[in-house]
Amino acid sequence: DAGVTQSPTHLIKTRGQQVTLRCSPKSGHDTVSWYQQALGQGPQFIFQYYEEEERQRGNFPDRFSGHQFPNYSSELNVNALLLGDSALYLCASSWPGSPTQETQYFGPGTRLLVL
Amino acid sequence: AQTVTQSQPEMSVQEAETVTLSCTYDTSENNYYLFWYKQPPSRQMILVIRQEAYKQQNATENRFSVNFQKAAKSFSLKISDSQLGDTAMYFCAFDFGNEKLTFGTGTRLTIIP
Repeated sequence: DAGVTQSPTHLIKTRGQQVTLRCSPKSGHDTVSWYQQALGQGPQFIFQYYEEEERQRGNFPDRFSGHQFPNYSSELNVNALLLGDSALYLCASSWPGSPTQETQYFGPGTRLLVL
Repeated sequence: AQTVTQSQPEMSVQEAETVTLSCTYDTSENNYYLFWYKQPPSRQMILVIRQEAYKQQNATENRFSVNFQKAAKSFSLKISDSQLGDTAMYFCAFDFGNEKLTFGTGTRLTIIP
């Protein structure tokens, strides 16, 4: 049973650049959520995708956008990178049809460093 | 506002001992879900245990158990017979009925050989 996968594992960008992070959900899952985890902090919710639509969004600017594909995989895009965007970006998947529908399973994360 | 507080930034315990990690929260919701996640140095966030707020019985998973006090808005994690592999950051997290997780700031747990 394949778990949540993310790519790349590490990424270095400079201020003002754009970045795309990728996530494949756990087998059988159709809902993908993205979280940002700054160093020494707990993860913060960015947004959630279901049926290729953004279903809800946290308190993040429009520079953060996403997409979900028909195979349920997802991308997180960040434009005009700032130094403060340096963080671990976590993808989590879930399946609303399961008995434990509220349980989210996380990928290994992408570490983004903005210089 | 819904808040989650972990008041123990760091803890350490000898191998094979029992340790309890604390978590308190604030919400006006009645139905919600509570979780403890473990994040080892590998960064992978791993689900340890889950609890439904409408269930009075405390959840257990092998050496891990919770003490859920709904009225006090407290949700602690007890690790029995601690092992070196339990060394990690531990986060309590909540789904307050809106299908997104709200996390605490974490407790760094070190198991000493």
